[in-house]
Amino acid sequence: ETGVTQSPTHLIKTRGQQVTLRCSSQSGHNTVSWYQQALGQGPQFIFQYYREEENGRGNFPPRFSGLQFPNYSSELNVNALELDDSALYLCASSLDQGRVEQYFGPGTRLTVT
Amino acid sequence: AQSVTQLGSHVSVSEGALVLLRCNYSSSVPPYLFWYVQYPNQGLQLLLKYTSAATLVKGINGFEAEFKKSETSFHLTKPSAHMRDAAEYFCAVSDGDDMRFGAGTRLTVKP
Repeated sequence: ETGVTQSPTHLIKTRGQQVTLRCSSQSGHNTVSWYQQALGQGPQFIFQYYREEENGRGNFPPRFSGLQFPNYSSELNVNALELDDSALYLCASSLDQGRVEQYFGPGTRLTVT
Repeated sequence: AQSVTQLGSHVSVSEGALVLLRCNYSSSVPPYLFWYVQYPNQGLQLLLKYTSAATLVKGINGFEAEFKKSETSFHLTKPSAHMRDAAEYFCAVSDGDDMRFGAGTRLTVKP
């Protein structure tokens, strides 16, 4: 059984650019959630995808978007990057739609300069 | 809306001493409660979870937590701290649809 993996590990972008982060869910899991963890804070829920459809969204603007693929891997896209987007981005996979039992990946550290 | 408050952003204990990390929650429905640990430059690892079964929950690495509805608390304890326990700990609450995390408590273990 493979765990949740994320790529890349680290990323540096310039303000105004676009970025794509990737997540491979744990085997058999059909739901993925994305979180933003700013330095010194707890993770904040961005959105969740269940069977390729968005299934819940936190308080994040539309420039944060996502995709989930038939193999349940997923992407987080952020357009028009701002300095405040610098954070650790975590994805978590689960077997159901509810955010109860989730397994987290190691995260992608995004720095916006 | 549900929320979590972790009392104390930093806790320091000596090796072998009791670890107590405090978490209070607010939820309009019976909650699911979690403790996660995060080591430097890593993701979150689930320590334990409460899902309306036994109120005393045992987790990995010798940690346990007790759900106290009357106090709306879910404090994390470990009888004897080890150096490897030094990390950031997050309490989280979920109503099954939305998960909210606390701000975290950094645990330091002194030799």
